[in-house]
Amino acid sequence: DAKTTQPPSMDCAEGRAANLPCNHSTISGNEYVYWYRQIHSQGPQYIIHGLKNNETNEMASLIITEDRKSSTLILPHATLRDTAVYYCIVKSRVTNNLFFGTGTRLTVIP
Amino acid sequence: DSGVTQTPKHLITATGQRVTLRCSPRSGDLSVYWYQQSLDQGLQFLIQYYNGEERAKGNILERFSAQQFPDLHSELNLSSLELGDSALYFCASSVGPGTFSGNTIYFGEGSWLTVV
Repeated sequence: DAKTTQPPSMDCAEGRAANLPCNHSTISGNEYVYWYRQIHSQGPQYIIHGLKNNETNEMASLIITEDRKSSTLILPHATLRDTAVYYCIVKSRVTNNLFFGTGTRLTVIP
Repeated sequence: DSGVTQTPKHLITATGQRVTLRCSPRSGDLSVYWYQQSLDQGLQFLIQYYNGEERAKGNILERFSAQQFPDLHSELNLSSLELGDSALYFCASSVGPGTFSGNTIYFGEGSWLTVV
């Protein structure tokens, strides 16, 4: 399974866009990039996923580079409730499992 | 609310004891996953079931076992408990076992296990 690299922590001012980067240079052609977040000790919450094209939903946008070796999750207008650990995961092509790394701890500052 | 239901939410038990954690997947989901989250290990995949059959195994100890019943609910059994088994145990579910767009995995809110 492809490994991902994320910065351990980031800060973002409330109301500004939060851009969370992720490197996944060993990703294979059919593997998806998934983003989850975990607020305190709640269950991981699905945010968005993509294969090749950029994706947008009501929570966030996902920008995937053309070579698919990196991606960026964008929260357009961060709120205090977006403070969480954000996980970028390349989904196993064999078993549909998610292997979590250490993620990025995003702190939204008032 | 993800639609995945886990019980109990909190559990305190003594070393050497056995506990059972229960999970009801989202309506229509056939695949169930169990994860463990401890302070020093992060989120670790334990085991996956699909329609009653074991599909994949992760870092699950031999003292732990799981099963998925015909009504699709799942149970994780933890025996001979040790202090180090204290953790959050998450259940998750998805429509199917494979990797395809839309086969998103949704997590429950977890069961806190404390072994004293």
